[in-house]
Amino acid sequence: GQQLNQSPQSMFIQEGEDVSMNCTSSSIFNTWLWYKQDPGEGPVLLIALYKAGELTSNGRLTAQFGITRKDSFLNISASIPSDVGIYFCAHARAQKLVFGQGTRLTINP
Amino acid sequence: EAQVTQNPRYLITVTGKKLTVTCSQNMNHEYMSWYRQDPGLGLRQIYYSMNVEVTDKGDVPEGYKVSRKEKRNFPLILESPSPNQTSLYFCASSILQGTDEQYFGPGTRLTVT
Repeated sequence: GQQLNQSPQSMFIQEGEDVSMNCTSSSIFNTWLWYKQDPGEGPVLLIALYKAGELTSNGRLTAQFGITRKDSFLNISASIPSDVGIYFCAHARAQKLVFGQGTRLTINP
Repeated sequence: EAQVTQNPRYLITVTGKKLTVTCSQNMNHEYMSWYRQDPGLGLRQIYYSMNVEVTDKGDVPEGYKVSRKEKRNFPLILESPSPNQTSLYFCASSILQGTDEQYFGPGTRLTVT
């Protein structure tokens, strides 16, 4: 099945830095979802986007649904140690949920 | 407490020995799904179910079976496991459909030797 292209695959940053990651696809989608997986746990939904151009925030997290409907961005401002984990973008195609490969975030204190 | 539970959490087995991983949710959700997570590949959907007795294939269904006889349970069955099914498996549920927020279980790490 098709996978989304998520980048970067990994990030190593200092605490307090801002983080930016993105997800692209060759197809147009109606929904973009961002999940976070803490070490040893299942993913948890962070932000859901349902409209092209939509910009949604959840605390220090901001996500945008690209105008072309083929991409999405997630930004984290002023990173803290608990932001460590794997971030996944996902979209729903019919009732199937397709995930990107994930961006692994590591934070140096 | 609202949750999705999976059992077992860890399993080591041998090629060809049938196994079942159970999944149960206590949120009265209609939609349930199974995923496998492999390094560099993210999560890939195996099967999903829209309701009791309604199941459909995800992107990687080969070698797996599921059943949905009760709303709360959605077991994953490997009739004849092979080493390429060694993976981390997650069950998830959501209220009505795949685009709703999915609640994931804690995962089952399966090793097939």
